[in-house]
Amino acid sequence: EDQVTQSPEALRLQEGESSSLNCSYTVSGLRGLFWYRQDPGKGPEFLFTLYSAGEEKEKERLKATLTKKESFLHITAPKPEDSATYLCAVQEVEDSSYKLIFGSGTRLLVRP
Amino acid sequence: DTGVSQDPRHKITKRGQNVTFRCDPISEHNRLYWYRQTLGQGPEFLTYFQNEAQLEKSRLLSDRFSAERPKGSFSTLEIQRTEQGDSAMYLCASSRGQGSSQPQHFGDGTRLSIL
Repeated sequence: EDQVTQSPEALRLQEGESSSLNCSYTVSGLRGLFWYRQDPGKGPEFLFTLYSAGEEKEKERLKATLTKKESFLHITAPKPEDSATYLCAVQEVEDSSYKLIFGSGTRLLVRP
Repeated sequence: DTGVSQDPRHKITKRGQNVTFRCDPISEHNRLYWYRQTLGQGPEFLTYFQNEAQLEKSRLLSDRFSAERPKGSFSTLEIQRTEQGDSAMYLCASSRGQGSSQPQHFGDGTRLSIL
């Protein structure tokens, strides 16, 4: 069965303290891996799509990378406004619906 | 691009009542999805529309749930005879349907509370 596992479940950082979030996945064939940010009471906000191992994407203080088994979301010098839940999701290559299979997320708190 | 719009944002109802939610996708998106999210979990897929056709339904979607997308525009999700376990955030997402995988864009959801 397809699975997406995110770690850690929660992470507390001081402002400026860089770290990484992990997303490991098991699918028969990966069509795409997606990172979303979700604020309390809001829907997920799209950040990145990664399609193949070795691919990297950057946006401000965030950088996403992909290997054959996992993805990392690196946060460099985070600010309090980066506090949110970060969700990882995969699409399977044989799935004609393109539905997303999500992990449970990592809750990030950045303290000033 | 006005984003995905969902209505209502919150719904409180008594067990056994019927509820209906509406989703207005981004106008040029022909794919529409419904997901359910409970506290501390990621969204779980419920159903998928390509234009007006409902092409896939999850095992999570019991016969008390029905979804429509008339004319391939807005969509509605109805829950009949609500149960305590239906309490969750119901999220709608839409995406383009051409070429390689396109990101899904989400609305801010409808939070359902069953008394």
